[in-house]
Amino acid sequence: DSGVTQTPKHLITATGQRVTLRCSPRSGDLSVYWYQQSLDQGLQFLIQYYNGEERAKGNILERFSAQQFPDLHSELNLSSLELGDSALYFCASSVTRLAKAGEQFFGPGTRLTVL
Amino acid sequence: KNQVEQSPQSLIILEGKNCTLQCNYTVSPFSNLRWYKQDTGRGPVSLTIMTFSENTKSNGRYTATLDADTKQSSLHITASQLSDSASYICVVSASGYSSASKIIFGSGTRLSIRP
Repeated sequence: DSGVTQTPKHLITATGQRVTLRCSPRSGDLSVYWYQQSLDQGLQFLIQYYNGEERAKGNILERFSAQQFPDLHSELNLSSLELGDSALYFCASSVTRLAKAGEQFFGPGTRLTVL
Repeated sequence: KNQVEQSPQSLIILEGKNCTLQCNYTVSPFSNLRWYKQDTGRGPVSLTIMTFSENTKSNGRYTATLDADTKQSSLHITASQLSDSASYICVVSASGYSSASKIIFGSGTRLSIRP
């Protein structure tokens, strides 16, 4: 158990809909990262927040947005969903804003299925 | 362009046998390299982390090597067990002022252990 929690574990929705994924980082971690992993694909970095502020952006679509709240939990919002958005969405956390490889702890993921 | 390439893409071996997974990277300037194990549908779990000055790092039956000159790393698994069946991901981060966008993930090697 990494200490990072994600909800829900599974989510099934229809095209055009909007969903919200939630992540709670490890106790004491200030940075939260979101990753997308499509079937048989590698992890794609979406966005990072540090202590409530956006820190870095990766390949995140304009239909997607995220925020980190004062209690440090984060939410990833996906709107106007398309079939291709079906994937595993992972959240990771780290203590610092400079996440070197290995300082990140991953949550169990949310499996999103868009029908 | 910063890239991490892993080989083979997939590998099947018999239980009890050894195997070696390869990772070649072009990330510069190099900071560190980590190997993750990812069980199907689960979040990645860190196995080892190696910095520039380290050549070998062991974690039980897992031994990682790093050749910073040739920019290659390998993960050797000894006396494989059925529970070793998973994807193994090589992750390299760039040094200096860094953010999550400087963490480069390989696409992984899918290892299957057969009884």
